Amino acid sequence: DTAVSQTPKYLVTQMGNDKSIKCEQNLGHDTMYWYKQDSKKFLKIMFSYNNKELIINETVPNRFSPKSPDKAHLNLHINSLELGDSAVYFCASSQAPAVGLFFGPGTRLTVT
Amino acid sequence: AQSVTQLDSHVSVSEGTPVLLRCNYSSSYSPSLFWYVQHPNKGLQLLLKYTSAATLVKGINGFEAEFKKSETSFHLTKPSAHMSDAAEYFCVVSSYNFNKFYFGSGTKLNVKP
Repeated sequence: DTAVSQTPKYLVTQMGNDKSIKCEQNLGHDTMYWYKQDSKKFLKIMFSYNNKELIINETVPNRFSPKSPDKAHLNLHINSLELGDSAVYFCASSQAPAVGLFFGPGTRLTVT
Repeated sequence: AQSVTQLDSHVSVSEGTPVLLRCNYSSSYSPSLFWYVQHPNKGLQLLLKYTSAATLVKGINGFEAEFKKSETSFHLTKPSAHMSDAAEYFCVVSSYNFNKFYFGSGTKLNVKP
């Protein structure tokens, strides 16, 4: 009964390629997020969707495009991958600020 | 505006000794505060949370945190460290605007045998 799942777990690709990461949550939460964790473990929010509507869009290059087909899914598409995109990407969901975040297992992206 | 400062980037303790990981926060509202743990190459797991009920919060694996409004602190403690506690710990404050969560920079806990 995985609450927040992501695929793939590992992604190794070359510069210039386009790739997607998928996320699904079965918690019934209205809000979903993408976070990027760099090599120093710092977590930075990228996007947030509430019931399929984009509500947070931090200063992320427009090569990154989130898509939420329904409130249980939030996908991340990355165009023209660069070396600096190498990181661990976490999907998370939340029902309310007081509830907290529920994280997926992460996708380790390596761009060579 | 909300923000979180974790005062130590690394903490090293011996197994069986107490653990103290320090967190200060800034919030315009009555905050909700959280501690998350991340073991190596794993995702983030909720340890405990404060949401304006009891100021001393108990979490999983014997961890506790005390909310001190006068000191704007939410330090994480454990009476006796175990080797399995070695991990990265994140303090988080949430905002009631936009359902946004603010992360501290993390504290890496090392437990020596």
